[in-house]
Amino acid sequence: QKEVEQDPGPLSVPEGAIVSLNCTYSNSAFQYFMWYRQYSRKGPELLMYTYSSGNKEDGRFTAQVDKSSKYISLFIRDSQPSDSATYLCAMSAMRIDTGRRALTFGSGTRLQVQP
Amino acid sequence: SQTIHQWPATLVQPVGSPLSLECTVEGTSNPNLYWYRQAAGRGLQLLFYSVGIGQISSEVPQNLSASRPQDRQFILSSKKLLLSDSGFYLCAWSVGGAPETQYFGPGTRLLVL
Repeated sequence: QKEVEQDPGPLSVPEGAIVSLNCTYSNSAFQYFMWYRQYSRKGPELLMYTYSSGNKEDGRFTAQVDKSSKYISLFIRDSQPSDSATYLCAMSAMRIDTGRRALTFGSGTRLQVQP
Repeated sequence: SQTIHQWPATLVQPVGSPLSLECTVEGTSNPNLYWYRQAAGRGLQLLFYSVGIGQISSEVPQNLSASRPQDRQFILSSKKLLLSDSGFYLCAWSVGGAPETQYFGPGTRLLVL
């Protein structure tokens, strides 16, 4: 079982729809949760990160963390064709073997917003 | 503000040829640096990370090596490329401590023929 599971999609929605992207995880040591957006043939860019359970909002984007269920979500309101990209979740935990914090990435969900 | 550069953007190399990909970071000191490979439709595989000049940790055994000759320079190399080395190579940086948020460069697309 992978530490972080993410549906690869593609997820196709009409412009203006609310999009829900999700990741589940198995490692209870994960403390920080991030969402990256990756356009085709580009490097991932950080959208937002959260620490505690609950919601964090930034413009049209809302990140939600439920540590009890080991489940995180990214909601996009009023989706636009420019939101079409692959969205990667990432989670941070301290590694016992190295004594340093490391990120574990989901495989990404491809989103297509149709005009 | 911080900026990360990678070059070249695209590279086509024959099997058995050497490789050198370069990454430089501007606007920060003593960053943690990372090399990832991303296969088509797949997640990010961490190849190497470095917490300082000359300090390299390898995550997976492979045909590649990394070096950090200067504080903000990270180089990915190979003496002889394999077909399986094809992929999208990403360099990233972070500052130490939580939450270990990483910031990525534009990537290098490598095709080994």
